[in-house]
Amino acid sequence: DAGVIQSPRHEVTEMGQEVTLRCKPISGHDYLFWYRQTMMRGLELLIYFNNNVPIDDSGMPEDRFSAKMPNASFSTLKIQPSEPRDSAVYFCASSLRGNEQFFGPGTRLTVL
Amino acid sequence: QQQVKQSPQSLIVQKGGISIINCAYENTAFDYFPWYQQFPGKGPALLIAIRPDVSEKKEGRFTISFNKSAKQFSLHIMDSQPGDSATYFCAASSANAGGTSYGKLTFGQGTILTVHP
Repeated sequence: DAGVIQSPRHEVTEMGQEVTLRCKPISGHDYLFWYRQTMMRGLELLIYFNNNVPIDDSGMPEDRFSAKMPNASFSTLKIQPSEPRDSAVYFCASSLRGNEQFFGPGTRLTVL
Repeated sequence: QQQVKQSPQSLIVQKGGISIINCAYENTAFDYFPWYQQFPGKGPALLIAIRPDVSEKKEGRFTISFNKSAKQFSLHIMDSQPGDSATYFCAASSANAGGTSYGKLTFGQGTILTVHP
């Protein structure tokens, strides 16, 4: 198995632009998590899905952030409009029945 | 009540020494306590995990000690090696009502471990 796949690995954009991050979870996993990691705030859970249904989005910072999981093999995290304070590494993780979470390599987002 | 507090923020150890990282939690419903290891430029990866029915779990050089009454757990790395240099996160979660799955992990702030050769 290739593990959790995230794209792009790096994204540089200008303030105000829309950013879309993509994630392909491990096949057969029923949970998918989106995290944000910064030096100041550490590893923050943004939202997680169970069987493609959003369960807890209390960590989504603002209405500028949205996440979807149209099917079991794909999820997106969208930021519109992006701001410099959104600069961070965004991780996607998946798990089976919520036990061990397998993290992807992350997307490093820089908003200028 | 959802917080997991981790200390120290950073730790420097000589090769062969023992590294100890501590975590404390408040939510008594937590019943799954994993430790994740993260190398620079990579995502975190599960290192070892414990459930509160045991007080200690050992896997190779890595040991989790768990104190349910104190609501504390710790990671001990014996014979620390330069290759152990990484960021370590403790975490905690609780099972769903049916006890069949765990969802949200609450992570500690992380400890940057440096092992000098």
